[in-house]
Amino acid sequence: EAGVAQSPRYKIIEKRQSVAFWCNPISGHATLYWYQQILGQGPKLLIQFQNNGVVDDSQLPKDRFSAERLKGVDSTLKIQPAKLEDSAVYLCASLLGSAYNEQFFGPGTRLTVL
Amino acid sequence: KQEVTQIPAALSVPEGENLVLNCSFTDSAIYNLQWFRQDPGKGLTSLLLIQSSQREQTSGRLNASLDKSSGRSTLYIAASQPGDSATYLCAVSYSSASKIIFGSGTRLSIRP
Repeated sequence: EAGVAQSPRYKIIEKRQSVAFWCNPISGHATLYWYQQILGQGPKLLIQFQNNGVVDDSQLPKDRFSAERLKGVDSTLKIQPAKLEDSAVYLCASLLGSAYNEQFFGPGTRLTVL
Repeated sequence: KQEVTQIPAALSVPEGENLVLNCSFTDSAIYNLQWFRQDPGKGLTSLLLIQSSQREQTSGRLNASLDKSSGRSTLYIAASQPGDSATYLCAVSYSSASKIIFGSGTRLSIRP
């Protein structure tokens, strides 16, 4: 079974530029999560999708971050414009929907904002 | 506020030692608790998942315990090896399919 795929793996941009990340979850997984992990900290949820609907985006900085999952499969996360403090690893995870809530994580995208 | 704390933040031990990593959580009404491993520049690998009704889970040299009443979990690593060097993250969830709340991790280094 293929895992969660993310691209790009690394991205370097200057502040005020825009950037987009892509995630393809495990086939058949209805729930998709985007987490932000700042160096030295644990991941923090940005947004959770159930199929193509948003379940939780309470910690998403909506003035600059946006995410979509139009067909209930893959998802994109966008930052516009980026700030220095957005430098982090952006992790995507997916969940089949079983009772165990075992989320499977992708390798992440490491973003550096200069 | 639901928070997860991990102590210590970093740990260095010689190869072969048994060691314990600690995790505490403020809200004891958890749905489950997971221990993850994260290697530098990599994603998260789930090591053990303990349901709220369970007290421990074992996988190879790893054993995780859960004490909901005290809001604590420990990850026991037996006969540590240099390949165990990584950051270990504890995380809790409060319902099926809900977000996971992570601790800041313990960075473990095993000296040959």
